[in-house]
Amino acid sequence: DIQMTQSPSSLSASVGDRVTFSCRASQSISTYLNWYQQKPGRAPKLLIYAASSLHSGVPSRFSGSGFGTDFTLTISSLQPEDFATYYCQQSSNAPPTFGQGTNVEIK
Amino acid sequence: QVTLKESGPALVKPTQTLTLACSVSGFSLSTTGMRVSWVRQSPGKALEWLARIDWDGDKFYTASLKTRLTISKDTSKNQVVLTMTNMDPVDTATYYCARTGRYFDFDYWGQGILVTVSS
Repeated sequence: DIQMTQSPSSLSASVGDRVTFSCRASQSISTYLNWYQQKPGRAPKLLIYAASSLHSGVPSRFSGSGFGTDFTLTISSLQPEDFATYYCQQSSNAPPTFGQGTNVEIK
Repeated sequence: QVTLKESGPALVKPTQTLTLACSVSGFSLSTTGMRVSWVRQSPGKALEWLARIDWDGDKFYTASLKTRLTISKDTSKNQVVLTMTNMDPVDTATYYCARTGRYFDFDYWGQGILVTVSS
């Protein structure tokens, strides 16, 4: 199975900050990489698919980039509703696998 | 509007069989390209994909649990059913169903159902 490693595991930031976090695959996955946001007690929500495509209804402050093994999710200006855990997921090879998540906390 | 909703028992005993249903609306399970997966999340842990069923009846399972899982669908009821045999306390988790794209992207999720395995 492809292993997905996210860093950092958690970060503290303030409203308005530009936030970037990373996801690394154990082998090349082209652009088969998706990002999800999960709030406590809620289901994950798809943010980005195919590494850089914004899912319907997702604010444009979210963006994704990367190819191969290294990927990045950026929030251009952190909003109060963005404090959550973010997961990456590869969809290149079965089984699909998720990273351990990055928890974004209020500074 | 696409929605999915899980239903089933909140508590099962060790060795019992778990049966969960996912009721979908806003799309048909028989429409070409429609796929539904089950994903679980143990408390405080990451997400784990379990199984997928496609519009044409094709089924896919995670290798580590393949012998314990069965996924099926009832198109007339707009339901996808997952059974997991021989439940163990380590199977305690929130179980989600999610509409699944061709490349295993999960674009819509149910609210999840917490299943506790305990005697």
